[in-house]
Amino acid sequence: EVQLVESGGDLVQPGGSLRLSCAASGFTFSNYWMHWVRQVPGKGLVWVSRINSDGSSTSTADSVKGRFTISRDNAKNTVYLQMNSLRVEDTAVYYCVRDSVGEGIDCWGQGTLVTVSS
Amino acid sequence: DVVMTQSPLSLPVTLGQPASISCRSSQSLVSRDGNTYLNWFQQRPGQSPRRLIYKVSNRDSGVPDRFSGSGSGTDFTLKISRVEAEDVGVYYCMQGTYWPPWTFGQGTKVEIK
Repeated sequence: EVQLVESGGDLVQPGGSLRLSCAASGFTFSNYWMHWVRQVPGKGLVWVSRINSDGSSTSTADSVKGRFTISRDNAKNTVYLQMNSLRVEDTAVYYCVRDSVGEGIDCWGQGTLVTVSS
Repeated sequence: DVVMTQSPLSLPVTLGQPASISCRSSQSLVSRDGNTYLNWFQQRPGQSPRRLIYKVSNRDSGVPDRFSGSGSGTDFTLKISRVEAEDVGVYYCMQGTYWPPWTFGQGTKVEIK
């Protein structure tokens, strides 16, 4: 069974940093692209960042570019999102999402809540 | 960026009746490889999104056959042939043809009348 388990969400002050982790299991992690997608509670889904299967290529939304960095460790079956210079508007549930090349985004984790507030 | 526009944003339906959600993209979603990367997701209250349909009309494993996807180019539709109570939630379309960014529709909230 495919499982994506996010962790690292917390309450942080504006300007602070946080690193999210997503542990994958139940599939060959190194074969898949991975994404982070966020959702303000009660609002819609917004794509944040993506990394290819070997970590050599990444893409990031303009709204977080220069502040957020996606990375992965295929030996640990884990994808990360380093979040720096956090803003109040970054408050959201962050989902780790798998991408089946050829079919697109498919499986989602349960999400981890990041709250940026003073 | 490709803008995805869903309608309606709220859809009250009667149990056992059909429902239809429209999704329009700001440009054709036909990729250079000939595929159209348009997916549909369901998000039940308090849950993570779950993919229902990929590449316009392919139903994911375990998805009831009352769900179907259709469309081409810029116009796409998700249909529920007979709405059941467990179908309550928010439905999103998403394009993966022109990236980055991957873009979602605003979501359509399906509720029972």
